[in-house]
Amino acid sequence: DTEVTQTPKHLVMGMTNKKSLKCEQHMGHRAMYWYKQKAKKPPELMFVYSYEKLSINESVPSRFSPECPNSSLLNLHLHALQPEDSALYLCASSRNRVNTEAFFGQGTRLTVV
Amino acid sequence: GQQLNQSPQSMFIQEGEDVSMNCTSSSIFNTWLWYKQDPGEGPVLLIALYKAGELTSNGRLTAQFGITRKDSFLNISASIPSDVGIYFCAGDNTDKLIFGTGTRLQVFP
Repeated sequence: DTEVTQTPKHLVMGMTNKKSLKCEQHMGHRAMYWYKQKAKKPPELMFVYSYEKLSINESVPSRFSPECPNSSLLNLHLHALQPEDSALYLCASSRNRVNTEAFFGQGTRLTVV
Repeated sequence: GQQLNQSPQSMFIQEGEDVSMNCTSSSIFNTWLWYKQDPGEGPVLLIALYKAGELTSNGRLTAQFGITRKDSFLNISASIPSDVGIYFCAGDNTDKLIFGTGTRLQVFP
């Protein structure tokens, strides 16, 4: 199994809503990542988890809250988002922080209305 | 912050032609990765390079890790319609992956 699975594939939410994005991998990878990608731009790193601990937060606003419940799961909790937060949110995993060959999920297309 | 510049920005080629694209940086990287992304999907890892000067192939794809460790090249031979997409390079500086600006490839039959 070399897949990173993200749910949901599409999400539309209002600015007062609370929602969560989910990511799962069963490759035994111990590093997991959240990226944000706007149209026609490269992915931008948001958070890095290493061995279930947050190791990098790229100055992401607090309305985005990551969580790593166990080594296979990564969540991104969303609250009070703005329309400019609409983007493709990508989860990725790699063997560890040293081996950064990252495998990406298919992404969640988020629209904030 | 660090930036990776990819060129060309876009390419329009005929099926069967060979393609070359490159990625340059002002900083040294320890690993270079090449990804392909289809619309609405996540990037798919194509090739990983670990040593300066390394040349690695994956089917019709060949990539090289530049000797200076500041650049990398990707070649696609005998392009086919399913090669259409955006190609991203990514450099690893031992802290995180930095993505290039992308090369959009269009293949016409």
